[in-house]
Amino acid sequence: GAVVSQHPSRVICKSGTSVKIECRSLDFQATTMFWYRQFPKQSLMLMATSNEGSKATYEQGVEKDKFLINHASLTLSTLTVTSAHPEDSSFYICSARMGDQPQHFGDGTRLSIL
Amino acid sequence: KNQVEQSPQSLIILEGKNCTLQCNYTVSPFSNLRWYKQDTGRGPVSLTIMTFSENTKSNGRYTATLDADTKQSSLHITASQLSDSASYICVVTGKTGANNLFFGTGTRLTVIP
Repeated sequence: GAVVSQHPSRVICKSGTSVKIECRSLDFQATTMFWYRQFPKQSLMLMATSNEGSKATYEQGVEKDKFLINHASLTLSTLTVTSAHPEDSSFYICSARMGDQPQHFGDGTRLSIL
Repeated sequence: KNQVEQSPQSLIILEGKNCTLQCNYTVSPFSNLRWYKQDTGRGPVSLTIMTFSENTKSNGRYTATLDADTKQSSLHITASQLSDSASYICVVTGKTGANNLFFGTGTRLTVIP
């Protein structure tokens, strides 16, 4: 089945640093990738949608300068959390889909900002 | 407003017992409904997908039902195992727009020996 790989699985870093998370579709070409954030005991909240080769579309309330998304190829999207602060600590999950096919989710990245 | 509500929020059952999780939605138009299992610290994994015309679908010990008229779905787990402990999320797909997935808040299931 379709596999989406997310890396790293866990990051712990100091406040003020920038963190990059990678999302790769391993066996299919992802025309669209999605980035979600999940706080404890809550469901996934969509942050942004990215289509290969074009700018990401951000959900209301998500700062595009804070969360930089790059979808440079059909198999890779990156999310960079710039100048991260403790309130950015969360579980970040990506998903990918090809055309109108169902989304496949990565295993998430646990980000902890000290 | 498109919403997906799940109940109960959490559930504790003994190993070997059955349980049923509920999902009510107001998403319209409707394309399909999926149940996902999300283990702690992992991404969601799809269990079942149901379209408008399907009433029941099984995947091993998991059986999902859908009543498109009342906009309700259930996930029944038979003969629960310790490994079933996870969050179960109901996700409804609408038909329009790129952001057409609507997530429930999940039911946290704990199976105890």
